[in-house]
Amino acid sequence: GAGVSQSPSNKVTEKGKDVELRCDPISGHTALYWYRQSLGQGLEFLIYFQGNSAPDKSGLPSDRFSAERTGGSVSTLTIQRTQQEDSAVYLCASSLTGSVNEKLFFGSGTQLSVL
Amino acid sequence: AQTVTQSQPEMSVQEAETVTLSCTYDTSENNYYLFWYKQPPSRQMILVIRQEAYKQQNATENRFSVNFQKAAKSFSLKISDSQLGDTAMYFCAFTYQLIWGAGTKLIIKP
Repeated sequence: GAGVSQSPSNKVTEKGKDVELRCDPISGHTALYWYRQSLGQGLEFLIYFQGNSAPDKSGLPSDRFSAERTGGSVSTLTIQRTQQEDSAVYLCASSLTGSVNEKLFFGSGTQLSVL
Repeated sequence: AQTVTQSQPEMSVQEAETVTLSCTYDTSENNYYLFWYKQPPSRQMILVIRQEAYKQQNATENRFSVNFQKAAKSFSLKISDSQLGDTAMYFCAFTYQLIWGAGTKLIIKP
């Protein structure tokens, strides 16, 4: 596609339910990042995929969070047993090679609200 | 630990004025990269400018420039001739873009 696509744009769920957030990166981009942006705060790194390498999961806040990237393209971030503190905007970004100085292309995010 | 600090939660200037947003960081690395991103109400982050630490020359992109002071670990963004479309959140980020500041909300008034 022309840009990074995220769905849904908004998600309201009840505490304790599982949610799946989807990211479709720019075609050909080998690197994919997930971030969490809480209200009034900066971006918090969650997980990073680079090609066929093992993902960098160092930013995942708990074992309720997981992500996968199928076929080196689409990625799904799953949050199990959601808590109210999980409410945030979840942003996905991709880049061509994942080089340290590379520009990231961001999606418009998923606003998650846990009631 | 590597950190990025943006000390100005919100700034407001008149259209056509010049505004400077501050960013300081802490690292023990010698070679790294710094970035400024803009986030308009659409939520989609857009790269404004980037700086390589080993380059002494400050980066410039049209109306946007940086003042990079490596010894002071300071990386400020200057916006000249500000426009209404510059209204957004501005974030400073470090190296692999895994570490971000809390952001500065910039409002350009007509």
